[in-house]
Amino acid sequence: EIVLTQSPGTLSLSPGERATLSCRASQSFSSSYLAWYQQKPGQAPRLLIYGASSRATGIPDRFSGSGSGTDFTLTISRLEPEDFAVYYCQQYGRSLSGFTFGPGTKVDIK
Amino acid sequence: EVQLVQSGAEVKKPGATVKISCKVSGYTFTDYNMHWVQQAPGKGLEWMGLVDPEDGETIYAEKFQGRVTITADTSTDTTYMELSSLRSEDTAVYYCATGWSGFFYWGQGTLVTVSS
Repeated sequence: EIVLTQSPGTLSLSPGERATLSCRASQSFSSSYLAWYQQKPGQAPRLLIYGASSRATGIPDRFSGSGSGTDFTLTISRLEPEDFAVYYCQQYGRSLSGFTFGPGTKVDIK
Repeated sequence: EVQLVQSGAEVKKPGATVKISCKVSGYTFTDYNMHWVQQAPGKGLEWMGLVDPEDGETIYAEKFQGRVTITADTSTDTTYMELSSLRSEDTAVYYCATGWSGFFYWGQGTLVTVSS
């Protein structure tokens, strides 16, 4: 089973700043199977990025994903007030024997 | 418009079984696997398992194996998640989710409270 680790646990930034979130896997897998989600309190998660770098429908271009192998990154180029939330990475795919999530990174207002 | 509408909140006693439903609309039910995700209060997301609505095949996370049953009813475009032998640690919001590459669509969540 692939284990995902996210860092940092909490990221304190101001609106307008750049956020860089990391997701590291315990073993290498295809970037086609890496997704990022945003979750706000009391809401269901929302898919931001799939296939490591493809934005889901309606996701602003300030969100970008990159990476391969065991290291993946979600970048928010300029934080908007609505971007303060918890972000999760996920590996998915039957061939990977699971759809596990990372523990999450909370982006909060400095 | 794709919609996943889940059944309402439940309160159960330890040792009981809960069954939650998730009715989908707006796409062909058999096109994508249906997943269930657990989120305990203040905690992260935990994938529980999936069902392929086309043939009923299931895959369960090791943590829930033996206690969870996920099914799909193609006559009503509804998926069900049944969790047995409930304990306090199962108090959580449970989500259904689906999509072709990652979980594009999510239900609104169902709160299950396990308390004596």
